[in-house]
Amino acid sequence: AQRVTQPEKLLSVFKGAPVELKCNYSYSGSPELFWYVQYSRQRLQLLLRHISRESIKGFTADLNKGETSFHLKKPFAQEEDSAMYYCALSPNASGGSYIPTFGRGTSLIVHP
Amino acid sequence: GAVVSQHPSRVICKSGTSVKIECRSLDFQATTMFWYRQFPKQSLMLMATSNEGSKATYEQGVEKDKFLINHASLTLSTLTVTSAHPEDSSFYICSARDLGTSGGQKSYNEQFFGPGTRLTVL
Repeated sequence: AQRVTQPEKLLSVFKGAPVELKCNYSYSGSPELFWYVQYSRQRLQLLLRHISRESIKGFTADLNKGETSFHLKKPFAQEEDSAMYYCALSPNASGGSYIPTFGRGTSLIVHP
Repeated sequence: GAVVSQHPSRVICKSGTSVKIECRSLDFQATTMFWYRQFPKQSLMLMATSNEGSKATYEQGVEKDKFLINHASLTLSTLTVTSAHPEDSSFYICSARDLGTSGGQKSYNEQFFGPGTRLTVL
């Protein structure tokens, strides 16, 4: 069974401080990992995916297969980063239907 | 990028009535769409997976007869809440899967989310 764990329900930091949103997963195969973000009154949107290895809005996330983690990091938080962040896992299937799994989400609040 | 729309964005109905929510992929074809329920400041709860041309796959604990899902075309899936009750009041979100191809090869399984529908049952 696949599972995504986000241990922190709420993360509160001051502007300019480093941020790390934790995500651990369990999956027997080789999954695809994503971070989605939901800003206030907006729809969920993709922030980044591990396959592309890119940095979006200063955020990065490295897939650590040994620790089965995909933590989201940013060296200097900004107030506009305040949002709900969801870690998600998708089985790396070759095609056909699949069931994605989302973590419970972490609310990030960045204080001025 | 790919866009998913939902209609209506907000609906208020009386207890006992049925409500239909539409989810459309506007610029891509979605063989698979997902329906979620989101409670205030809580995570997404996957309700069902909607596959074009076949029956939806419901998650454990979700009543099939209460939440009817139809995926009649590659761009439209509908969720009908039948005989709605106040406890069905929630924020319903759909998403569509985009396999995403690059050079003919699958590169990722990104989901595109609709803006959600706020259902209030009086």
